[in-house]
Amino acid sequence: EAGVTQSPTHLIKTRGQQATLRCSPISGHTSVYWYQQALGLGLQFLLWYDEGEERNRGNFPPRFSGRQFPNYSSELNVNALELEDTALYLCASSLVKAVRDEQFFGPGTRLTVL
Amino acid sequence: AQSVSQHNHHVILSEAASLELGCNYSYGGTVNLFWYVQYPGQHLQLLLKYFSGDPLVKGIKGFEAEFIKSKFSFNLRKPSVQWSDTAEYFCAVTAYYGGSQGNLIFGKGTKLSVKP
Repeated sequence: EAGVTQSPTHLIKTRGQQATLRCSPISGHTSVYWYQQALGLGLQFLLWYDEGEERNRGNFPPRFSGRQFPNYSSELNVNALELEDTALYLCASSLVKAVRDEQFFGPGTRLTVL
Repeated sequence: AQSVSQHNHHVILSEAASLELGCNYSYGGTVNLFWYVQYPGQHLQLLLKYFSGDPLVKGIKGFEAEFIKSKFSFNLRKPSVQWSDTAEYFCAVTAYYGGSQGNLIFGKGTKLSVKP
């Protein structure tokens, strides 16, 4: 069974540009979560989508946005990139209706903002 | 707001030493508890999880953790570490949202370096 996949693996952008990151969940999983892993800041929750709707949002500015498609894949968009957006962006998926379920993580997209 | 704190930022041990990594969370309701590990160059993977029942849970690679509800703690232990345990360890908690579990709240992580 394929795991969570993310693309691209690496992304280099300059300040002010926009970045789009993509995630495909494990087959059958309806929830997708996005996390940011920045140096020295640990793993911080960004966004949670389930069944196409945003269920929760972390403490990030509105220029971080996303969506979930009918096939449950997801996109994370970061507008007006800033240097501090440089980080590893992790996507995870789970079957949220199963109350006792773990989140499975993808390999991440490493975003570098110059 | 929920939070997770991990007591140690960096732990250095020699092979065969025992390991205990501390984790405390703040949330008064029902929680699910997890330890994830990130080996160098690899993606985050689950070590063990606690949902309910026996507070002592066993995970992969000889790791175990004990949930102590009265202390809001979920400490990770291993009796004898190996060089291959060198990694970053993250404690995490989810809470219930309308009957289903929500996003993970992570601690800042503990880097474990095991000297051969």
